Amino acid sequence: DSGVTQTPKHLITATGQRVTLRCSPRSGDLSVYWYQQSLDQGLQFLIQYYNGEERAKGNILERFSAQQFPDLHSELNLSSLELGDSALYFCASSVERTGNTEAFFGQGTRLTVV
Amino acid sequence: AQSVAQPEDQVNVAEGNPLTVKCTYSVSGNPYLFWYVQYPNRGLQFLLKYITGDNLVKGSYGFEAEFNKSQTSFHLKKPSALVSDSALYFCAVRDLGNTDKLIFGTGTRLQVFP
Repeated sequence: DSGVTQTPKHLITATGQRVTLRCSPRSGDLSVYWYQQSLDQGLQFLIQYYNGEERAKGNILERFSAQQFPDLHSELNLSSLELGDSALYFCASSVERTGNTEAFFGQGTRLTVV
Repeated sequence: AQSVAQPEDQVNVAEGNPLTVKCTYSVSGNPYLFWYVQYPNRGLQFLLKYITGDNLVKGSYGFEAEFNKSQTSFHLKKPSALVSDSALYFCAVRDLGNTDKLIFGTGTRLQVFP
């Protein structure tokens, strides 16, 4: 168990809908990262938060947004969903921003858009 | 820009034989390198990392990796493969630019046959 909790584990929704994915980082970890894993794109970095503030953006669509709350949990909001958004979404956390600490991953949320 | 490459989509090895999963990197400066493993329907699990120091890094489950600066490689190795090692392996490098996100390779599927 990595200590990173993601809910829900599975989500099936229709095109055009909006969903929210939730992540609770490991206790004490200030950095939260979101990744998307799809068969054709591999593991793509979406966005990072550090202690409540957005730190970096990657290949995140404008239809997607995220935030990190004062208790450090994070939510990833996906709207106007398309079939191509079907993927495994991972949250990861690490204790600080320095590069020498590993990130710990949750088990992911498998999103299926039908 | 930082990047890693995993030249093999799949590696097949017989149980009890040594295994190697290859990774090469391209970075400016000193690399921070990581290996993760993903079992089916699970999140990524941290195996080991190279930050500085000894070129041979030991990690979880009997895995080790050899950092080679002249060849810009960070190959994952295990002296004796187990069927239970069958999984998807990812090499990653820390982006030490404007973010400290992990940049992943495309993954290598390891299949260990009894």
